[in-house]
Amino acid sequence: DTGVSQNPRHKITKRGQNVTFRCDPISEHNRLYWYRQTLGQGPEFLTYFQNEAQLEKSRLLSDRFSAERPKGSFSTLEIQRTEQGDSAMYLCASSPTLAPSYNEQFFGPGTRLTVL
Amino acid sequence: AQTVTQSQPEMSVQEAETVTLSCTYDTSENNYYLFWYKQPPSRQMILVIRQEAYKQQNATENRFSVNFQKAAKSFSLKISDSQLGDTAMYFCAFIFNNNDMRFGAGTRLTVKP
Repeated sequence: DTGVSQNPRHKITKRGQNVTFRCDPISEHNRLYWYRQTLGQGPEFLTYFQNEAQLEKSRLLSDRFSAERPKGSFSTLEIQRTEQGDSAMYLCASSPTLAPSYNEQFFGPGTRLTVL
Repeated sequence: AQTVTQSQPEMSVQEAETVTLSCTYDTSENNYYLFWYKQPPSRQMILVIRQEAYKQQNATENRFSVNFQKAAKSFSLKISDSQLGDTAMYFCAFIFNNNDMRFGAGTRLTVKP
């Protein structure tokens, strides 16, 4: 399967702990996006990369959040000192920069984070 | 700022019937893309249909079609011959210049047997 994969699928942690999620995009896709989705809502943009460069960060991405894509392939999203309000589904998506799927984003299954 | 509004939090339809989901958006951009994504319960988001703003012809994909009204900034999704497997959250989304995608709050569609 060459779709977007995310690990872990579920993470339960205690408040104050650090967590890290991984996303493996579709191999030929240059762009990689992170979104956060709370129950019953649409995804909210967090950040995106073109290759290894982080091009944009949302104001939702507080300084406790950091994302990397060191070699332009997989990406990690780290949350430090987790808070209960961080509980959400974290979605990763990737997209090509060429037609015909230009601007279309392909989503992974998400990582569901629960902060106790 | 680009915003997407879905005014129907929940809808239901009988199997084999037709349903239309509404979406409006706000943007000052001229060249952009609109999408409908489907998110089944506990499953990942998948693309249903896409529309390029520069195309006047409405997109269709099998039982799914859109009514794109650029001047009115409206982008509705019609599902014909509804099937039980169509039960899902449906999100309308907007993007331009391959930047971040803006989503509506979603419409929960239930297809009843």
